[in-house]
Amino acid sequence: GNSVTQMEGPVTLSEEAFLTINCTYTATGYPSLFWYVQYPGEGLQLLLKATKADDKGSNKGFEATYRKETTSFHLEKGSVQVSDSAVYFCALKRGSSNTGKLIFGQGTTLQVKP
Amino acid sequence: EAGVAQSPRYKIIEKRQSVAFWCNPISGHATLYWYQQILGQGPKLLIQFQNNGVVDDSQLPKDRFSAERLKGVDSTLKIQPAKLEDSAVYLCASSSPTSGGSGANVLTFGAGSRLTVL
Repeated sequence: GNSVTQMEGPVTLSEEAFLTINCTYTATGYPSLFWYVQYPGEGLQLLLKATKADDKGSNKGFEATYRKETTSFHLEKGSVQVSDSAVYFCALKRGSSNTGKLIFGQGTTLQVKP
Repeated sequence: EAGVAQSPRYKIIEKRQSVAFWCNPISGHATLYWYQQILGQGPKLLIQFQNNGVVDDSQLPKDRFSAERLKGVDSTLKIQPAKLEDSAVYLCASSSPTSGGSGANVLTFGAGSRLTVL
């Protein structure tokens, strides 16, 4: 079946450090891939997405590249800030069909210290 | 545009009681989803509506959970009777075929309704 696996958290970094959060997926066909972020007390917000192999999604300094050969969609940021502290969820959606459901990983908590 | 509205934000009940959550999606979004997010886990889809029809309810515990979307706009999720393991955040999301711009049918989530069952 379809599934998403993220690296275990929490991830604790100092401000301006480099961030990588690993995400791998299992899916039939050609899914779309997403990163969502959940700040404390708030709902999930879309951070970035990629809809086909080799696409790079980017937003707010975060990037992730859709790697079909390794079935991965790792999230990276060159220099994290305290305000990036949140829970990050990797997710997949099969195709662009309106009936495809979003399947989430378990989430990775990021804590950035000043 | 206005976001996805949910209420109540917080609810505390005792086991075997009932509870209802309400969701108002983004105007024009035909697809509405209810997800359950247990602490420390990723959200899990409970039910998906396309207009007022059910597309997927395979993971909805139908002996105690029910949901409806009358008139294809607002939706209500009900739990009766509640169990301790139902303590979670219930997230509503909506989407349209063009949301997200590139046809990826991006979901927009509400802030969630946090349920505590004692």
